[in-house]
Amino acid sequence: SAVISQKPSRDICQRGTSLTIQCQVDSQVTMMFWYRQQPGQSLTLIATANQGSEATYESGFVIDKFPISRPNLTFSTLTVSNMSPEDSSIYLCSVEGAEGRDYGYTFGSGTRLTVV
Amino acid sequence: AQKVTQAQTEISVVEKEDVTLDCVYETRDTTYYLFWYKQPPSGELVFLIRRNSFDEQNEISGRYSWNFQKSTSSFNFTITASQVVDSAVYFCALSGSGNQFYFGTGTSLTVIP
Repeated sequence: SAVISQKPSRDICQRGTSLTIQCQVDSQVTMMFWYRQQPGQSLTLIATANQGSEATYESGFVIDKFPISRPNLTFSTLTVSNMSPEDSSIYLCSVEGAEGRDYGYTFGSGTRLTVV
Repeated sequence: AQKVTQAQTEISVVEKEDVTLDCVYETRDTTYYLFWYKQPPSGELVFLIRRNSFDEQNEISGRYSWNFQKSTSSFNFTITASQVVDSAVYFCALSGSGNQFYFGTGTSLTVIP
């Protein structure tokens, strides 16, 4: 399965600043997904990022707040802009695994963000 | 509508006991995929298993087993002879005609030594 390197693993940020999270995959993938997991909650899809086109955002998420880049088939970034304490969450990127009966979507190790 | 329900919020068992985590799903898709993920305290999501809607064969993998029942829209997960390292939050997820995942709210499992 794909190996994802996500960084930073954690950060503490000041209110009003922005943080860019990077996701590097060891193989070319068509789609990359960004999720948010608020404290004690399940995962919610923020957007789907395809190379060469704008990301597709889910209801409740907007590009101005969560701009995404996808410059090539192995890399993507998610920026959390103008942060507030409500943005404190774990952010995870995900890619579809290799073909096969037992493949699953692989997730990065997550970025634990605390906004103070 | 796509929905995954994990009614068990928290479960505690004593080490070596068996434990079953329940998952019930809703979907209008005829082709869909079901997943179980484990999230240990460190935060990463670990893929455990994927099943498609045409494969109701239940499986045993070591101490893990899965019971997929389309008739009841359930995809339950059993850990046999639980260990302390099994302590984690377990998520059931559904993926249908699109690529979006629908996650359950998770079941927090604590295995007491």
